[in-house]
Amino acid sequence: DGGITQSPKYLFRKEGQNVTLSCEQNLNHDAMYWYRQDPGQGLRLIYYSQIVNDFQKGDIAEGYSVSREKKESFPLTVTSAQKNPTAFYLCASSMQGLIEAFFGQGTRLTVV
Amino acid sequence: QKEVEQNSGPLSVPEGAIASLNCTYSDRVSQSFFWYRQYSGKSPELIMSIYSNGDKEDGRFTAQLNKASQYVSLLIRDSQPSDSATYLCAAVISGGYNKLIFGAGTRLAVHP
Repeated sequence: DGGITQSPKYLFRKEGQNVTLSCEQNLNHDAMYWYRQDPGQGLRLIYYSQIVNDFQKGDIAEGYSVSREKKESFPLTVTSAQKNPTAFYLCASSMQGLIEAFFGQGTRLTVV
Repeated sequence: QKEVEQNSGPLSVPEGAIASLNCTYSDRVSQSFFWYRQYSGKSPELIMSIYSNGDKEDGRFTAQLNKASQYVSLLIRDSQPSDSATYLCAAVISGGYNKLIFGAGTRLAVHP
């Protein structure tokens, strides 16, 4: 099946810990994105990448880091510098030129 | 002004009626627009894309783009209770690297 896989579905983080959210796609898409969604809110862009080994900060990149070493993978690390990380994290991908973007099922991160 | 704006709702319509969802955008936005449907606790699902002025129909859905007035709308004919969800308007900001940004979403409730 072609698609975008995010893991884990639920993640719990202790204060001061770094955690990494996985996003893998087998759609041969060039571009990948990470969004954060808070309850009752829209999606805010964290980071995005148009090609391998290149990525750009979105609107709320502080406290997050990414890598794009392979075309199919775009992991997001939520660092201890992110003071309010509890949210629903969504990964998406699209063909080059951003025709249409498709989403994974999301990771729900909770700080405990 | 936010780049993409939506009325948060809720918009309540009776079953069988036409639901009309609206989105306005700023000058920074290019001419690619998307409507996503998001059920509670789930990831967004692409339902319509529109790139040129005018109407685009797909089943019970019609997307309308008016570049002069800078708005894009989604009409849902013969609304069903299963259409109850949050509808997210998205648009592309071009310039160097294209990025996909979202409005806050409009919650639609279709009551029997």
